[in-house]
Amino acid sequence: DADVTQTPRNRITKTGKRIMLECSQTKGHDRMYWYRQDPGLGLRLIYYSFDVKDINKGEISDGYSVSRQAQAKFSLSLESAIPNQTALYFCATSDWTVTYGYTFGSGTRLTVV
Amino acid sequence: AQSVSQHNHHVILSEAASLELGCNYSYGGTVNLFWYVQYPGQHLQLLLKYFSGDPLVKGIKGFEAEFIKSKFSFNLRKPSVQWSDTAEYFCAVNARSGYSTLTFGKGTMLLVSP
Repeated sequence: DADVTQTPRNRITKTGKRIMLECSQTKGHDRMYWYRQDPGLGLRLIYYSFDVKDINKGEISDGYSVSRQAQAKFSLSLESAIPNQTALYFCATSDWTVTYGYTFGSGTRLTVV
Repeated sequence: AQSVSQHNHHVILSEAASLELGCNYSYGGTVNLFWYVQYPGQHLQLLLKYFSGDPLVKGIKGFEAEFIKSKFSFNLRKPSVQWSDTAEYFCAVNARSGYSTLTFGKGTMLLVSP
């Protein structure tokens, strides 16, 4: 099994719909992150959580919300999806030292039509 | 806050050519530096990292990077590229504060022709 699992892998949704992307990890890491990747823009941080009771906005949090249900689970929601949220979304985890960098999931390709 | 600049958006090389991808960061304090690779259709994988010590770090698949503190640079190198190195490469930095997150550059797409 993968260390960081994202579901779904691909999703097409309509404008205005609510959608949740899920992430679970078996690394035992306290820290979890959500990034979106757009061509030519690299990865941009949406939200991050340093432990179960900690939630922080990243660079581009507008239109998104998150829930840290447990140490191993961190979900990203789009309350009312819009077309410019079409992107590749990655979940990542790390320990507090970041000694081994971040471990990334396989990504969710989201298309909003 | 830190920022990262990657010099080239696209690089095209022939097999066996040497590679150098530029990366500069902006941050006044101590940083950790990373290079990640993303093969087509895959997630990001760590190539190498620098935390402290020898500024020349070696990673997987024959890649290396040199940290030059005075230039705020962390350039990625490989003496001889292969077709299988075709991928997107991301430089990333985080401040060594314990509460920092990883900031990525915009990436460099490398295409190696056989």
